[in-house]
Amino acid sequence: DGGITQSPKYLFRKEGQNVTLSCEQNLNHDAMYWYRQDPGQGLRLIYYSQIVNDFQKGDIAEGYSVSREKKESFPLTVTSAQKNPTAFYLCASSTLQGARGEQYFGPGTRLTVT
Amino acid sequence: AQRVTQPEKLLSVFKGAPVELKCNYSYSGSPELFWYVQYSRQRLQLLLRHISRESIKGFTADLNKGETSFHLKKPFAQEEDSAMYYCALSGGSSNTGKLIFGQGTTLQVKP
Repeated sequence: DGGITQSPKYLFRKEGQNVTLSCEQNLNHDAMYWYRQDPGQGLRLIYYSQIVNDFQKGDIAEGYSVSREKKESFPLTVTSAQKNPTAFYLCASSTLQGARGEQYFGPGTRLTVT
Repeated sequence: AQRVTQPEKLLSVFKGAPVELKCNYSYSGSPELFWYVQYSRQRLQLLLRHISRESIKGFTADLNKGETSFHLKKPFAQEEDSAMYYCALSGGSSNTGKLIFGQGTTLQVKP
């Protein structure tokens, strides 16, 4: 199923390296989000963007960076400054009007840093 | 501060038993509450929202503003209900689309 895609599914990196996770959507949604999912901690918001060329920090933005050059794309870079980067990362998108609260999620990327 | 709390990490019931997944929230305005579900090997998806007052797959949830709760209930659990469930809150007037998620509860329905 299309809609919102994330790649790759699994990613392995050495400590000290930056890594970029891809997120693309063809739903024509204005807003996009990045979450981190850890066992027992639920989903925590890293960054979000409501419009092209604009984005805001979420609750745990330290050590991460994003860009929103196109409406369809919202890549997330996990930098070497992120202390515990190993996690499952979820991207989501939504409209800003109408069905507020309904976010559409990608399949996720599992990042392992050793 | 805005917060969503799901006190149970794991809820295990037998098939046919009633299910109640607890969700409490903290929000100063008029929130909108949602339940999301993640089945094994599937994407996280919206299950239901309080504003719609709907029943999806036999699940219902009532917003209790006095108790600041939004518990998810089903009278008779099925094995296919086994999944991770997240309660989420949206600040009603902010319209940013942001959601605050709880820690999640794994529902295990045993045969």
